Amino acid sequence: SQTIHQWPATLVQPVGSPLSLECTVEGTSNPNLYWYRQAAGRGLQLLFYSVGIGQISSEVPQNLSASRPQDRQFILSSKKLLLSDSGFYLCAWTGSQTDTQYFGPGTRLTVL
Amino acid sequence: QKEVEQNSGPLSVPEGAIASLNCTYSDRGSQSFFWYRQYSGKSPELIMFIYSNGDKEDGRFTAQLNKASQYVSLLIRDSQPSDSATYLCAVKYNNNDMRFGAGTRLTVKP
Repeated sequence: SQTIHQWPATLVQPVGSPLSLECTVEGTSNPNLYWYRQAAGRGLQLLFYSVGIGQISSEVPQNLSASRPQDRQFILSSKKLLLSDSGFYLCAWTGSQTDTQYFGPGTRLTVL
Repeated sequence: QKEVEQNSGPLSVPEGAIASLNCTYSDRGSQSFFWYRQYSGKSPELIMFIYSNGDKEDGRFTAQLNKASQYVSLLIRDSQPSDSATYLCAVKYNNNDMRFGAGTRLTVKP
């Protein structure tokens, strides 16, 4: 069965510091991968998606970037965090035979 | 503009009652429709999906889709306190464009 992991689970970072969040998927090959952000009391905002290694599409211009160095690894990064980057970051995947998105456990980021 | 609208609630129902959650969407090109449940502090988990007009039942849950009215709903029968959560409606337009509503917070009172 497929499993999706995210780490860290929680993170507190000062404004202006860098960020690296990691997502990995097990039990499937060539998944589509997604990064979402959920602000407190808000819906999910799609940040990036990837259909393959090195292929990244950005949905919202911001100070975040994403990379997919391996088939089942998706990384979200920032060089300098802003207060507005605080939120719940969720990674999701879909397989080739389904359009249902399955979410990882999430990373709660607080920027102070 | 591809919008997904949900009543934010909170919706409060007594235990054993039917909870009705509603969602409207703006783009008629929508292909697939999903309901997720999200407990406080946790990630969304899929409840069910629906592609065709009509009803789809899965245990205590029934999804209803009306593409002409651009409306999708979720009914929860025999509501339990463990059903208390935020319910997210999601609408998919193509392989990589899924839009989420802000969610409806449901409270089931014992």
